[in-house]
Amino acid sequence: QVHLVESGGGLVKPGGSLRLSCAASGFTFSDYYMSWIRQAPGKGLEWVSYISGTGSSINYGASLKGRFTISRDNAKSSLVLQMNSLRAEDTAVYYCARHSGGYFEPFDFWGQGTLVTVSS
Amino acid sequence: EIVLTQSPGTLSLSPGERATLSCRASPIVSSNYLAWYQQKPGQAPRLLIYGASSRATGIPDRFSGTGSRTDFTLTITRLEPEDFAVYYCQQYSSAPLTFGGGTKVEI
Repeated sequence: QVHLVESGGGLVKPGGSLRLSCAASGFTFSDYYMSWIRQAPGKGLEWVSYISGTGSSINYGASLKGRFTISRDNAKSSLVLQMNSLRAEDTAVYYCARHSGGYFEPFDFWGQGTLVTVSS
Repeated sequence: EIVLTQSPGTLSLSPGERATLSCRASPIVSSNYLAWYQQKPGQAPRLLIYGASSRATGIPDRFSGTGSRTDFTLTITRLEPEDFAVYYCQQYSSAPLTFGGGTKVEI
């Protein structure tokens, strides 16, 4: 069965960096677009970034302004989000999610999330 | 950017009652690329409806979605105790992908 497990969250100071990973299993990873979605404490969902199955198509939410980089390693079925210049407003649970097919598809499987806290 | 506005913010109902949740889009969502998710406290969201009206795998038929272009509705015909949760709509017709602010269905 499909399984997504995020890791790498934690406490980081403003201006710092963090690298999140998502280990995927139970499906052919390279066939699917993947996204990162975040949820600030007590708030709604915010899409962060997506990457195509080959990695050739990437997009980011406007609020990130070049601070985050998404990548994937299909050989390891792994999705990565490199986060730099972190701010207090980046504090959130970060979920990785699978698009059910290509880009124009909903998120059919989600990981349980990893908490990122940006605080001095 | 497509902005999704959900209403009401909170819906107070009892088990067995009918819930009607609204999601309005501006501008339009093309090809009915609109999904609904359920989220319970401490859990990841779960896909309920995609393509505005198709139920995801394993979703009970008391959940139904209707609508097109700018107006979408999620209906839960008879609320079960496990249905009390927050519901989000999401469009996947154009980037940036966006979510509505959510509707909390509470007892």
